[in-house]
Amino acid sequence: AQKVTQAQTEISVVEKEDVTLDCVYETRDTTYYLFWYKQPPSGELVFLIRRNSFDEQNEISGRYSWNFQKSTSSFNFTITASQVVDSAVYFCALSPEAYTSGTYKYIFGTGTRLKVLA
Amino acid sequence: DAGVTQSPTHLIKTRGQQVTLRCSPKSGHDTVSWYQQALGQGPQFIFQYYEEEERQRGNFPDRFSGHQFPNYSSELNVNALLLGDSALYLCASSLYFDALSYEQYFGPGTRLTVT
Repeated sequence: AQKVTQAQTEISVVEKEDVTLDCVYETRDTTYYLFWYKQPPSGELVFLIRRNSFDEQNEISGRYSWNFQKSTSSFNFTITASQVVDSAVYFCALSPEAYTSGTYKYIFGTGTRLKVLA
Repeated sequence: DAGVTQSPTHLIKTRGQQVTLRCSPKSGHDTVSWYQQALGQGPQFIFQYYEEEERQRGNFPDRFSGHQFPNYSSELNVNALLLGDSALYLCASSLYFDALSYEQYFGPGTRLTVT
């Protein structure tokens, strides 16, 4: 079975606090991609990061950082010094290996709603 | 460079009616996928079109059908609407032979309300 679990339904933090959003995935594929998307109230999914299953290096982009641990099937997302503009729903997604190019799909978690209070 | 566009933005329909949603992919993309996002849930994969054929399908009934045109744009049709079909419908485009990135670009969505 292929599945993405985001156990945190909603998180509230005060501005400038650090916050970590958890993502746990299940797949039997050896090659896959993991993604994080942000969905503001407007509804459009905004791409944040892509990571393939062979690259376990952590990544930092400004205030955002990601921790990929294959051993625990987790791909967690940390926002440092959160800001009100970070308030949104964040989705983790899994794209299992495509056996032929192009026939891939995303499996999304249920999302974590982040509220950053001023 | 135009991104993924969808129309209409909002739609209200009555149970039992039929609806057609439209999507134009990002310039240069040839593959379109459709997702249904119910309130408070993550997007669920409906199906994917490439070369005017349905290539993959998620766990959705036959009431959900689609079409892709030669210009790569796509339509999602839903027949015999149920209250449970109320959702945000997202279109995503990608390049079929881009297995290196597995990346899809999403449109703003069409919010369908069934009353």
